[in-house]
Amino acid sequence: DAKTTQPPSMDCAEGRAANLPCNHSTISGNEYVYWYRQIHSQGPQYIIHGLKNNETNEMASLIITEDRKSSTLILPHATLRDTAVYYCIVRVVGGGADGLTFGKGTHLIIQP
Amino acid sequence: NAGVTQTPKFQVLKTGQSMTLQCAQDMNHNSMYWYRQDPGMGLRLIYYSASEGTTDKGEVPNGYNVSRLNKREFSLRLESAAPSQTSVYFCASSDGQHIQYFGAGTRLSVL
Repeated sequence: DAKTTQPPSMDCAEGRAANLPCNHSTISGNEYVYWYRQIHSQGPQYIIHGLKNNETNEMASLIITEDRKSSTLILPHATLRDTAVYYCIVRVVGGGADGLTFGKGTHLIIQP
Repeated sequence: NAGVTQTPKFQVLKTGQSMTLQCAQDMNHNSMYWYRQDPGMGLRLIYYSASEGTTDKGEVPNGYNVSRLNKREFSLRLESAAPSQTSVYFCASSDGQHIQYFGAGTRLSVL
């Protein structure tokens, strides 16, 4: 799986949009981009994934650049409960059931 | 809505003791996983099972054994615990496609 690079920490004001960047410059054509988050040592929680198109669900939006070398996770109206470590992961799907490769992620702190 | 259930939630062991961490999922998933997470780090894969009856090593398998008892259950065994195995252990399951669902974790201390 390709390596990802994320800033170690970010702050965001409550109610504002939180934009979390991720670089994955060595991503392969058949690798998806996934985002998970981990709230205070709980088990990680899936947020969203995409291949090359932008995606949106009830939790977040995922913007992938045209060259697919970077992406941004957007939490549109951050709340205090969004304070967590956010992990950006790239992975091939359908080539087996191997696990996820987690880096250190971005610790997002939502300020009141 | 149980999802992935891990037992126990906490455990303290002495060096050399053995124990088994239990994991069960009720989502009829084929794939199951064991990860460990050390302080300030991301999760690392210990073992995984793509389907009932199969298991494979992940990134950090040394010192552990696993059993895929049936489709629902995937256990992790420490035969002779060492202080280096002090960690938080997470079990996960997946339909083998996009999403992994994680349990709440087992916090293990080895003295």
